[in-house]
Amino acid sequence: NAGVMQNPRHLVRRRGQEARLRCSPMKGHSHVYWYRQLPEEGLKFMVYLQKENIIDESGMPKERFSAEFPKEGPSILRIQQVVRGDSAAYFCASSPGGQAAEQYFGPGTRLTVT
Amino acid sequence: GENVEQHPSTLSVQEGDSAVIKCTYSDSASNYFPWYKQELGKRPQLIIDIRSNVGEKKDQRIAVTLNKTAKHFSLHITETQPEDSAVYFCAAVTSGTYKYIFGTGTRLKVLA
Repeated sequence: NAGVMQNPRHLVRRRGQEARLRCSPMKGHSHVYWYRQLPEEGLKFMVYLQKENIIDESGMPKERFSAEFPKEGPSILRIQQVVRGDSAAYFCASSPGGQAAEQYFGPGTRLTVT
Repeated sequence: GENVEQHPSTLSVQEGDSAVIKCTYSDSASNYFPWYKQELGKRPQLIIDIRSNVGEKKDQRIAVTLNKTAKHFSLHITETQPEDSAVYFCAAVTSGTYKYIFGTGTRLKVLA
């Protein structure tokens, strides 16, 4: 019974490049959430998706960031033209239901922008 | 907007002592309160949670209490062990939503 999977675990990008982060939810979970964690800080909500739908992207910067959760395959968080301030750990979590259901976190992707 | 305050930001206790971490939430419609433990470089892991229809929940050495009137909830760890050392996050979830509002975290250090 695999948990939430994320890849890559570590990603290094130069300024201006694109970063693609992938998240496969737990089996049976159809709700995915992305969070950003800066060093020594808490988790900040970015976006909530269900299959083929973005439910809430209120925590995601309007420019350069996008997310999707296609019918087949993992959820993808995409950051275009990365800047140094994008360096952080990006965690995704999944749950079986949207409302106040337990969220289980993946191992995170640590993005470093050089 | 919704806000969760968490205190203290750091906490050092001697092995065997108790540790208490407190959170205050702003949205009175919050009805679900999970606690996560995050070890260095690892994922946050759910350790205990409480819903607004109960005042206390216990799981071995860990307990959580909820005071809805004061909008406070607390994590209690008894008989602390070195492996309890980690960052602990509280969160509040508003009824009818899915969004977790996290506290800023407490770095717990258990001294052997």
